[in-house]
Amino acid sequence: SQQGEEDPQALSIQEGENATMNCSYKTSINNLQWYRQNSGRGLVHLILIRSNEREKHSGRLRVTLDTSKKSSSLLITASRAADTASYFCATDARGSNYKLTFGKGTLLTVNP
Amino acid sequence: GAGVSQSPSNKVTEKGKDVELRCDPISGHTALYWYRQSLGQGLEFLIYFQGNSAPDKSGLPSDRFSAERTGGSVSTLTIQRTQQEDSAVYLCASSLGGGGSDEQYFGPGTRLTVT
Repeated sequence: SQQGEEDPQALSIQEGENATMNCSYKTSINNLQWYRQNSGRGLVHLILIRSNEREKHSGRLRVTLDTSKKSSSLLITASRAADTASYFCATDARGSNYKLTFGKGTLLTVNP
Repeated sequence: GAGVSQSPSNKVTEKGKDVELRCDPISGHTALYWYRQSLGQGLEFLIYFQGNSAPDKSGLPSDRFSAERTGGSVSTLTIQRTQQEDSAVYLCASSLGGGGSDEQYFGPGTRLTVT
């Protein structure tokens, strides 16, 4: 089964609204990354948060990590139509050293 | 500079035929990964190359799948005797080092359709 599970599976909002996506995982991790994928093609790295961090910001993105609940959230503020994409969390499990395990993703649609 | 490139971008093949998918990583990146993504699904890890070390093939779904990385650069993923369930987008990624904290840079993928 997937290490990371995102929810919701799909999210539709209006431009200007905030979008929140969640990721849960099963095993202890070194870090967690969020990626974006447009049109079913290559993924683009958004942000990485380490296991000893609780919150991280990058532009309109805010990521939180709760290792006690084994969960993370990605908040996109003031969404734009161009933010429409699938968003994946990827975990680097302790002991894996390099292998990222991806969830199934959240499909975000931002309506103009 | 140039990103990760993959070829072909699309491949349609008949069941039972062999296919080769190519990945050109970013120059200087020592780590290279292959993933498979079925429609509406997440990424499934296939294989990992790091420098001159033996590759981690633990994600390859069957012995019909193999991959090589020549000269620490270009990689080829070969699927022999293709089956319809092999239809998917095959994504290649590279990273500067091989650690799990390294950002992975993805290519645009090869969409494989087995008829």
